[in-house]
Amino acid sequence: AQKVTQAQTEISVVEKEDVTLDCVYETRDTTYYLFWYKQPPSGELVFLIRRNSFDEQNEISGRYSWNFQKSTSSFNFTITASQVVDSAVYFCALSEARSGGGADGLTFGKGTHLIIQP
Amino acid sequence: ETGVTQSPTHLIKTRGQQVTLRCSSQSGHNTVSWYQQALGQGPQFIFQYYREEENGRGNFPPRFSGLQFPNYSSELNVNALELDDSALYLCASSLGGRGTGELFFGEGSRLTVL
Repeated sequence: AQKVTQAQTEISVVEKEDVTLDCVYETRDTTYYLFWYKQPPSGELVFLIRRNSFDEQNEISGRYSWNFQKSTSSFNFTITASQVVDSAVYFCALSEARSGGGADGLTFGKGTHLIIQP
Repeated sequence: ETGVTQSPTHLIKTRGQQVTLRCSSQSGHNTVSWYQQALGQGPQFIFQYYREEENGRGNFPPRFSGLQFPNYSSELNVNALELDDSALYLCASSLGGRGTGELFFGEGSRLTVL
């Protein structure tokens, strides 16, 4: 069965500090997809990134970067020079591709509540 | 904004009642999935509809049922409500039925069961 673990329940940093959110996953499939979503207080989950299991290149998008390491089953997310607007709950998620079609949905971690203090 | 709208935004029910939640998907999307998010937890997959057929289901009992309409909007129905059904219910739309693509979420319907 697939599983996503986000060990950090809450992180609090001062604005402009760098912060890394950890994500460890478990799956028996060789083909899978990893995601990060941001959930502000409004409740809507905002898509940040999707990665497939065959692409281990790290990715940078502005102040955001992601480090995917299959050897340690980790997909960590770093925010550089954090801002107060980054405060939210961040979720890591995993999806496996069913060989026969259909969907098993995303398996989410429990989330990390990130607080950026001014 | 994702273009996914859900209604109602908040509602209160009592144990044993039935509830219907609605979702309008983003234009052009043919797949809708529903998630339940209890307080302080990550969302849990309830089921997915692709071209009006259920094509995936999580570990939820049959009293959780759904529909998808020809315009790809969707409903989630929960019968015989229990206290543990209190949660934020999130709808997400996407393209294709594999469930591996980017999901566009609505802001959710917060259900309280008393």
